[in-house]
Formats: sequence, structure tokens, C-alpha cells
Amino acid sequence: DIQMTQSPSSLSASVGDRVTITCRASQSISAFLNWYQQKPGKAPELLIHAASSLQSGVPSRFSGSGSGTDFTLSISNLQPEDFATYYCQQSYSAPLTFGQGTRLDIK
Amino acid sequence: EVQLVESGGGLVQPGGSLRLSCAASGFTFSNYWMHWVRQAPGKGLLWVSRINSDGRSTTYADSVKGRFTISRDNAKNTLYLQMNSLRAEDTAVYHCARGLGGSSTGTTAYWGQGSLVTVSS
Repeated sequence: DIQMTQSPSSLSASVGDRVTITCRASQSISAFLNWYQQKPGKAPELLIHAASSLQSGVPSRFSGSGSGTDFTLSISNLQPEDFATYYCQQSYSAPLTFGQGTRLDIK
Repeated sequence: EVQLVESGGGLVQPGGSLRLSCAASGFTFSNYWMHWVRQAPGKGLLWVSRINSDGRSTTYADSVKGRFTISRDNAKNTLYLQMNSLRAEDTAVYHCARGLGGSSTGTTAYWGQGSLVTVSS
């Protein structure tokens, strides 16, 4: 199975900040990497697929990059609604696997 | 608007069975891969299973293989998860999710709110 490791596990930031979350795969997954946002009590929402493609309706302050084993999710100009938990997920091969999550809190 | 509504969760004893359903609307159900993903209380996301658009191809996580069966009824726009030999560690909210579409088989674009399954004596 492909293991996905996110860092950091938690992060504190302020409104207006820029933050970066990293995700590392245990083997090359090309660009088969997705990012999801989950708010408490809600279902996850797809933010970015194929490493860097913004899902329809997602604000442009979200961006993704990377290929192979190392990936990043960046959020610029943090808004109050962005404080949530973020997960990466590889879609390269089954079983599909998620990172452990990064909780983004308000500083 | 894409809608996915899960049902069938509840409290079940270890070793018992449960069948989850996911009613889909707002899109052409028969065109998309579908998935089940679970989340234990306070924990992260764990992919459980997927099924292709015509139901002929299925894949499972090792932790549920041989115990869970995913299926779909395209005439009823409904996805199912039959769960047998349930264990305490299967306790979680189970979400159904629609695939992204196109050539994607592993990306989930829309999720239901989930159905809670509690395995306990």
C-alpha cells in the first residue's frame, strides 16, 4: 500500500496569512494526488485534483503543486472559512490512501 | 445539484451485519464510479471500497476484504455496502462519494453527510 504522510499535523495561522501543507508519498504517484478540506461535522470537499487542478467552485487562493512523491497545498490570504482539517489522498493505485490530516487553527 | 444521502446505519453487535444505502440524485448515476469512505470518531479518513460505473469492477481495502460487499443498482440510482462480520474497529461514519468522472477512478468529487455505524455489545 502507498503511505501518505502529511506535515505538519497541526498549524496555527492568522487571517490574511499564507500557509503551506506538505504531503509525501511512500512511492512515486506521478500527479495522482488530491486535496480535501473537512470542517467539523461536515463531509470532506474536494479542493484540488491531479496535484494542481482546482476543483470547480474552489477559490483561487488555494493552489497545489508537486509530482512524484512530494506535494504541497498552499492557501494564500487565509479567510475565516479556511480554518479546517486538510487531507491529501493518492489516487494512483488501490487501496486509495489518505494522509493523516493537517488541522489548521486560528492563531 | 448533486445529492448523496446515506441510510441504514445504527448499532450492531460484533459479528453482526448491516447494509448501508446511498441514494443519489442530481447527476447521471450510471456514468460514475462510486466509493465508500469511513471516518472513525475523531480520526482521519479511510477509503473502504469502490465500484465502477456498470458494477462489474470492485476494489476493497484489505481491512474489509471478504467481509464487505459494494454493489449498485443503476436503475434505482442507489449504491450499497453490505457489511458482515462486523468488528468494533468498523465503528465509523460511512460516507458514500461520487467519482470525479472522465478517466478518473480514484478521485471523489462529491460526498454524502454519512451514516454512523456503531459496533458494540
